[in-house]
Amino acid sequence: NAGVTQTPKFRILKIGQSMTLQCTQDMNHNYMYWYRQDPGMGLKLIYYSVGAGITDKGEVPNGYNVSRSTTEDFPLRLELAAPSQTSVYFCASSYVTALNEKLFFGSGTQLSVL
Amino acid sequence: GDSVTQMEGPVTLSEEAFLTINCTYTATGYPSLFWYVQYPGEGLQLLLKATKADDKGSNKGFEATYRKETTSFHLEKGSVQVSDSAVYFCALSGESNFGNEKLTFGTGTRLTIIP
Repeated sequence: NAGVTQTPKFRILKIGQSMTLQCTQDMNHNYMYWYRQDPGMGLKLIYYSVGAGITDKGEVPNGYNVSRSTTEDFPLRLELAAPSQTSVYFCASSYVTALNEKLFFGSGTQLSVL
Repeated sequence: GDSVTQMEGPVTLSEEAFLTINCTYTATGYPSLFWYVQYPGEGLQLLLKATKADDKGSNKGFEATYRKETTSFHLEKGSVQVSDSAVYFCALSGESNFGNEKLTFGTGTRLTIIP
């Protein structure tokens, strides 16, 4: 039972490079999310999607882009990596949205920009 | 805006000790409250939740009670085990938000249990 799968687990980028963090879920969930966690801080929402073809900004969207062409996949794109984007990135999904609906998380991608 | 303040870690306890991890929140209205746990090398997973005042969430021997008067949702366990070693996150979903796409998380508390 795969759940939410994120790749890669670790990555080091140079300033100005670009990369895509992959996220896929096999639970047929409508809602998908990208969070980042900086050291000593809580998780911050970057982008979310309520279904294929629909995305919206979260709390900290600057420097990132997303797409949702299928229900399963929700990649996060960094176009010009900056040191401020050094963080741990978590992808999550949920079937429906409700105040008490739980999220399913991937295991995270640790990204360093040097 | 909404915020969650969580007990700073790391916390180190001996096996069978009593655990409390404090969590207080600031939010308008009546948020839903959650504790998520992250075991080493894994993603976060929901541990327990409470959706209204005085509700008690419980799971795997952990408990937390939604206290509106003190705006708190402290996590407790009577006798911890080595397998409870993990990072614990308190979170809330604001009443004014559409769903939980805007969950607000605390900073996480790293718990280590020594045999």
